[in-house]
Amino acid sequence: EPEVTQTPSHQVTQMGQEVILRCVPISNHLYFYWYRQILGQKVEFLVSFYNNEISEKSEIFDDQFSVERPDGSNFTLKIRSTKLEDSAMYFCASKGGGRAQETQYFGPGTRLLVL
Amino acid sequence: AQSVTQLGSHVSVSEGALVLLRCNYSSSVPPYLFWYVQYPNQGLQLLLKYTSAATLVKGINGFEAEFKKSETSFHLTKPSAHMSDAAEYFCAVSDKDTGNQFYFGTGTSLTVIP
Repeated sequence: EPEVTQTPSHQVTQMGQEVILRCVPISNHLYFYWYRQILGQKVEFLVSFYNNEISEKSEIFDDQFSVERPDGSNFTLKIRSTKLEDSAMYFCASKGGGRAQETQYFGPGTRLLVL
Repeated sequence: AQSVTQLGSHVSVSEGALVLLRCNYSSSVPPYLFWYVQYPNQGLQLLLKYTSAATLVKGINGFEAEFKKSETSFHLTKPSAHMSDAAEYFCAVSDKDTGNQFYFGTGTSLTVIP
């Protein structure tokens, strides 16, 4: 069964460093998402991406964040200058584009720790 | 904006007992509703979803949920808990019109006692 994959599974970085989180969505999906979950808190929406552009973003998704689909398979989240509060689990999700394609399929997540 | 409330951050049941995990949403228009399960060190797996068809929805692993518009609820149930059901459960809602971002509840951690 097709699934969303994410790499790395864990990342430790120093405050102020740039990190890139990678995702490979399900191959025929058209909508892509990033969410994050700070330890002990709810899963929060960051950004959605469709047709090679951001379609929606939350207040969390400030200028330090960017997303890119550099080729036909990868979908990346970049944090330019990480802060301590960026420590969280980051989930990628994808969704098909047809009618009644309302389900988002999630990857296993990348646990980011900023020191 | 949509919001979801999951009552009870931790629920413990005995093996074989009824599982009831509560979810209430706030929306003037019935949205799409989802339950996801997260096993340790794994991603979010879809259990079931409500998309305005039948109000009683059956999912994987014997779980089901009933959409009750009058109560703005979408509680998850399973008649008989199994040890393998121990996990984190998330209720989520999305706007039916845009079907875009999901709004998640804070999650309920289910413990099954042998």
